[in-house]
Amino acid sequence: EVQLVESGGGLVQPGGSLRLSCAASGSTFSNYWMHWVRQVPGKGLVWVSRINSDGSSTTYADSVKGRFTISRDNARKTVSLQMNSLRAEDTAVYYCARAVGNVARYWGQGTLVTVSS
Amino acid sequence: NFMLTQPHSVSESPGKTVTISCTRSSGSIASNYVQWYQQRPGSSPTTVIYEDNQRPSGVPDRFSGSIDSSSNSASLTISGLKTEDEADYYCQSYDSSIWVFGGGTKLTVL
Repeated sequence: EVQLVESGGGLVQPGGSLRLSCAASGSTFSNYWMHWVRQVPGKGLVWVSRINSDGSSTTYADSVKGRFTISRDNARKTVSLQMNSLRAEDTAVYYCARAVGNVARYWGQGTLVTVSS
Repeated sequence: NFMLTQPHSVSESPGKTVTISCTRSSGSIASNYVQWYQQRPGSSPTTVIYEDNQRPSGVPDRFSGSIDSSSNSASLTISGLKTEDEADYYCQSYDSSIWVFGGGTKLTVL
């Protein structure tokens, strides 16, 4: 059974930084691309970023480009999202998802990030 | 990039059939697969349809997906509605590794 567990969310001031982590268990982590998707409470899903299986290629949504960095450690089965220069509009629940092709096949439970002074 | 537009909400009675649409703003709906996710209140999304019309194991065959090139849209159809189907449903597609989600449709089963 695949499990994804996010951590690292919390309250941060505008302009601050936060690092989210997603720990995976189950079948071979290093075979799969990983994505981050966020959701403002009560609103829809928004794709944030993705990283390929060996970490050599990353893509970002325009809204976070230059501020967020996705990375992975296949030995530790983790994917991370370093978030810098945070803004109020980054407030959301952040989910990590393991992809099969372009399908989010498994999702974590999410971690809440609140950007507020 | 393109957008995916869904109705904000739909409602139907138990036992009936409901269809949720997802219209692509530009480019062909057939050029990239469409997925559908179900999100119950307080829970993470789960996949109910992938690659236009494929059901993951464990998803009942009451759920089906299709695409229509003439309207440039995808559809999720749920037949024999149950109260447990009440949830938000999101379509998703992609282009050059960038994922695009629809705005979501709230299904009420009353």
